[in-house]
Amino acid sequence: EAQVTQNPRYLITVTGKKLTVTCSQNMNHEYMSWYRQDPGLGLRQIYYSMNVEVTDKGDVPEGYKVSRKEKRNFPLILESPSPNQTSLYFCASTQLAGHYNEQFFGPGTRLTVL
Amino acid sequence: GNSVTQMEGPVTLSEEAFLTINCTYTATGYPSLFWYVQYPGEGLQLLLKATKADDKGSNKGFEATYRKETTSFHLEKGSVQVSDSAVYFCALSGSNDYKLSFGAGTTVTVRA
Repeated sequence: EAQVTQNPRYLITVTGKKLTVTCSQNMNHEYMSWYRQDPGLGLRQIYYSMNVEVTDKGDVPEGYKVSRKEKRNFPLILESPSPNQTSLYFCASTQLAGHYNEQFFGPGTRLTVL
Repeated sequence: GNSVTQMEGPVTLSEEAFLTINCTYTATGYPSLFWYVQYPGEGLQLLLKATKADDKGSNKGFEATYRKETTSFHLEKGSVQVSDSAVYFCALSGSNDYKLSFGAGTTVTVRA
């Protein structure tokens, strides 16, 4: 089954404790990205990657890191989480082909930083 | 930059009522337009899309028409069901990038 998976689905942590949210896709997509969803703001892009070893900042990258060592994986790293990073996070992927690019989303990771 | 504005919710309807959610956008060039739906506790699913002016996207009884002259992509459904209760997001991707720009989302609740 074609899908994007994320782990963990729920996480409660404390300020300053490094964490990683994993994302994996099995569709051989080149493009992957991370979004955060906050009430009244919709989803905003954090980082994206056009291919292996190619990453770039989205609209709200502060406090986050990413890596793309393999095509299928795109982990999101919070080196020193803060309460303002409490949010619902989504990983997404798509092919780099054509003008129309449907993005496939993971199930989401709900993060609470105390 | 690109931006999307959609009507604020929440919207509460009775079953079989008509639903419309307004969406307008600002973008350069020729963006692709999307409606995504998020059911409770789930991720986002693509509901419908339109990639050029005057295209009509449709799925599950929902429709939206890409209107370049009014920069709009309003979502409509003629007769909603309880199972349509969800959050609906209007989104666009620019003609030269893959980032999705989302509206704030509209929560729709359909009561039996």
